[in-house]
Parts: sequence; C-alpha cells; structure tokens
Amino acid sequence: EAQVTQNPRYLITVTGKKLTVTCSQNMNHEYMSWYRQDPGLGLRQIYYSMNVEVTDKGDVPEGYKVSRKEKRNFPLILESPSPNQTSLYFCASSFRGLSYEQYFGPGTRLTVT
Amino acid sequence: GDSVVQTEGQVLPSEGDSLIVNCSYETTQYPSLFWYVQYPGEGPQLHLKAMKANDKGRNKGFEAMYRKETTSFHLEKDSVQESDSAVYFCALSPDGSSNTGKLIFGQGTTLQVKP
Repeated sequence: EAQVTQNPRYLITVTGKKLTVTCSQNMNHEYMSWYRQDPGLGLRQIYYSMNVEVTDKGDVPEGYKVSRKEKRNFPLILESPSPNQTSLYFCASSFRGLSYEQYFGPGTRLTVT
Repeated sequence: GDSVVQTEGQVLPSEGDSLIVNCSYETTQYPSLFWYVQYPGEGPQLHLKAMKANDKGRNKGFEAMYRKETTSFHLEKDSVQESDSAVYFCALSPDGSSNTGKLIFGQGTTLQVKP
C-alpha cells in the first residue's frame, strides 16, 4: 500500500531532551516536507526537500533540523525541544514538487513539558 | 512577504445552500494556488489546484478561480452536502512556475454543514 508513515504517533517529552520523528514513504517520491499544525494558525511549513541531499527552510525552521540521506526517509530532529514546539506534526511527499499531489502522513502529536 | 488570508474561521450553511469560502493572497511572484481539505483525525489532502492565473480548479462540485487582478482564490460550491463538512485550507506556492517546494497555508476555515 502506498503510504507515508510517521513514528511515533504520540510523544510526551521534557524540555531539552533531544528527539527524532521519523518519516518514510514507499512511493519513490522526490519531494518531502514537514509541517506543524496549531489551532488558529493553520499549517506552517518547517522544512522541505526537493530530492536527496537537498533541503530548504520553510516558514518556521527555528529549533528544527532535517536530513535527507535516502530518498524514502526524511527525519525531523528537535535537538533541544521547548514547550512552544508542542504541536501536531505532519510529513508529506509528492512525486516531484508541488505541481504534483502531496500525500500526508497520519500526524505525530508532540507534547513538550 | 508571502501570505494567505482566510477571513472566516467557521461557516455553518445548511444542506443544499450555496457556499463561498474566501481566500486572498499576497506575493510578489507568480504563485500556484491550492485548496486542501482535512477530515477529523486525518492529514490534509489536496482538494483542488490552479497553477496559473485564470485557471479554474475543480473537484467534487467545488470550484476555485485563480484571479490575479483581485489576488483571490475563493472556494465555491452550488449546493453543499453534510459530507462536505471538514476544515479547508487555502495555500500558495510562491514561485509556482518553477515547481519549487515552499508552501504557505491560510489559517483554515471549518465548514460544518447542518442537515
């Protein structure tokens, strides 16, 4: 089944404890992206990647890191999480950029205390 | 900078009513425009798109016209159904002609159709 998977789906952590949210797609897509969703603010793009080893900042990259070493994986790293990073995170992928349909993962709900 | 504004946080039509959900954008580039829909407990999914000015996106009875002169991309439907209830996000890719990856969303409009 073609899909985007994220792990974990739920995470509660403490301020300053490094964490990684994994994202994987099995559709051989070139483009991948991370978003956060907060009430009243809609969705905001964190980072995106047009292809392996190519990443660019979205609207809200501060406090996040990404890497794209393989085509299928695009992990999101929070080196020192803070409470303002409590949010619902979505990973997405498309065949090649935004001219093609993006497929979203199921989301990861992160709480930082 | 680039931005998208959706003026209504929530709309509450009755089944069979016509619908307009407003979306205005601001950019100095040549954007592509999108509407995404999100059902409860799910990730967003692409609803319709328009890649250049004067294009019209269509899907499941919904339409949106890319109007450069008024910088708008309003979502319209002649007769809404209860199953259309969801959150709708307008979005902009600032340099659509180059197929870049940056995407900016509006705040979202919750559509709740009354039976």
